Amino acid sequence: EDQVTQSPEALRLQEGESSSLNCSYTVSGLRGLFWYRQDPGKGPEFLFTLYSAGEEKEKERLKATLTKKESFLHITAPKPEDSATYLCAVQAGSGGYNKLIFGAGTRLAVHP
Amino acid sequence: DGGITQSPKYLFRKEGQNVTLSCEQNLNHDAMYWYRQDPGQGLRLIYYSQIVNDFQKGDIAEGYSVSREKKESFPLTVTSAQKNPTAFYLCASSKTPNTEAFFGQGTRLTVV
Repeated sequence: EDQVTQSPEALRLQEGESSSLNCSYTVSGLRGLFWYRQDPGKGPEFLFTLYSAGEEKEKERLKATLTKKESFLHITAPKPEDSATYLCAVQAGSGGYNKLIFGAGTRLAVHP
Repeated sequence: DGGITQSPKYLFRKEGQNVTLSCEQNLNHDAMYWYRQDPGQGLRLIYYSQIVNDFQKGDIAEGYSVSREKKESFPLTVTSAQKNPTAFYLCASSKTPNTEAFFGQGTRLTVV
């Protein structure tokens, strides 16, 4: 069964303390891996798409990487405004529409 | 500005009542989706539509219905057959079925 697991469930960081969030997946035929940011009571905001192992994407303090089994979202020198839930989703399959499988998310809190 | 508009933001439903959640997009996207989000769980797919006048059931379609009469609109009806409707509902769209999805701000439905 296709599965996406995010860890840790929650992470508390001091401002400036870099860390990484993990998204591990077991799927057949990865088509793409997506990272989203979600603020409380809001819809997810798209961050990155990764398609193949070895690919990396960056945006401000965030950097996403992908291997054959997992993806990492690295946060460098985080600020309090980076506090949010980060969602990982995997799209897999062989043709037609391939639905997104979401992980449960990592709740990040960055304290001054 | 282009985007996805969900309304209302909050909705209260009495037992046995049907309610309809609105989703409109002006991104000229072909594909649209409805997800349900519950605390501690990943987003779960209710219905999706790849083109106008066509839609498919997702993983948890029981108790829900949709229509796609216009490219811009994909309303979701939560029927009285849905036994546990209290949740956060998210509408999304993507340019094509297998590209990144963009989300609306959500509708929080509560049964009273």
